[in-house]
Amino acid sequence: SQQGEEDPQALSIQEGENATMNCSYKTSINNLQWYRQNSGRGLVHLILIRSNEREKHSGRLRVTLDTSKKSSSLLITASRAADTASYFCATDGNQGGKLIFGQGTELSVKP
Amino acid sequence: GAVVSQHPSWVICKSGTSVKIECRSLDFQATTMFWYRQFPKQSLMLMATSNEGSKATYEQGVEKDKFLINHASLTLSTLTVTSAHPEDSSFYICSASNPGQGSTDTQYFGPGTRLTVL
Repeated sequence: SQQGEEDPQALSIQEGENATMNCSYKTSINNLQWYRQNSGRGLVHLILIRSNEREKHSGRLRVTLDTSKKSSSLLITASRAADTASYFCATDGNQGGKLIFGQGTELSVKP
Repeated sequence: GAVVSQHPSWVICKSGTSVKIECRSLDFQATTMFWYRQFPKQSLMLMATSNEGSKATYEQGVEKDKFLINHASLTLSTLTVTSAHPEDSSFYICSASNPGQGSTDTQYFGPGTRLTVL
């Protein structure tokens, strides 16, 4: 079953702006991961944040995790047209590596 | 490193036929692989967990007799959609974790297989 909910479902911004996507989940987790998927393609792992971490950075990506609120956010700074894709959060509840995916946010970055 | 491939990348078949999809870890050994299904504009739904040398574990609502999974080696898992019907048309994606990297947390995903059943 899907436990992650993401908002917004769709986000359209101009190149250079920042994009923020949110993810909420329901059960306890070992870690939370963010993935990117270009249309009709496989998933690309972006970043993983463990349950004992609150913030993590990777290039233009910044992820936060609030386990008390069971939520996470992904911030993409200085967006580019090439960032256009769907972004999914996925939670690892320490069940043998099973990932439960959120519904995803479809990001469109206009040049 | 940590590359996962899938074959075929796309397949079109007639209703009632069976289709086999392969998932390979190219440069690492994967004791566990996962199979997901994704319908258009939707998220990934976990179908089953494939363990090398043992039976797959299916998620609730997934018919094990319809979606046959075989994980015969540490680098290969196969998903066979038996007696496929148009409602089985979907994007099937596999993933594998890479214990050799020191962490089982990160999963590496294959490029997916688009199945269209006519």
